[in-house]
Amino acid sequence: EAGVAQSPRYKIIEKRQSVAFWCNPISGHATLYWYQQILGQGPKLLIQFQNNGVVDDSQLPKDRFSAERLKGVDSTLKIQPAKLEDSAVYLCASSFGHTGELFFGEGSRLTVL
Amino acid sequence: QKEVEQNSGPLSVPEGAIASLNCTYSDRGSQSFFWYRQYSGKSPELIMFIYSNGDKEDGRFTAQLNKASQYVSLLIRDSQPSDSATYLCAGPGGQNFVFGPGTRLSVLP
Repeated sequence: EAGVAQSPRYKIIEKRQSVAFWCNPISGHATLYWYQQILGQGPKLLIQFQNNGVVDDSQLPKDRFSAERLKGVDSTLKIQPAKLEDSAVYLCASSFGHTGELFFGEGSRLTVL
Repeated sequence: QKEVEQNSGPLSVPEGAIASLNCTYSDRGSQSFFWYRQYSGKSPELIMFIYSNGDKEDGRFTAQLNKASQYVSLLIRDSQPSDSATYLCAGPGGQNFVFGPGTRLSVLP
């Protein structure tokens, strides 16, 4: 069974530029999450989708971050414009239902210069 | 804001010893907890979950949940150098699950 796919694995951009990350969850998993993990910290939830609807985006900085999951399968997370403090690993995870049993992708490491 | 707290470590144990990792939480209504292992530079992977008070064993791992004291722990018996990683505790937080900051475990050969 294929795992959660993410791309790109690494991205380096200048501040104020934009970046997009893509995620394809495990087949059949209705719930998709985007987490931000800053070095030395635990993952912080940015947004949760159930199929193509948003369940929780309370911690998403909506002035610069956006995410969509148009067909209830893959998802894109965008940052525009990026700030230095956005440097982190962006983790996509999926689960069959709304449980804490998450399957994570390899992550996309963002460096903002 | 419902929180999950962990001692960031590092926790160092000799090979073959028992490693004890602890997590406390603020939400008295929390029912389920999850332990994830994260190797350096890798993504978290689920290793244990516990839904009820008491102990749950899986191989060398035992998860313990004490609702009265609001803590959950993970015991790793016969620790191996390959167990060296950061262990993240996750519990309910509002509509979702909140991760603690993680405890870094180092198993010394």
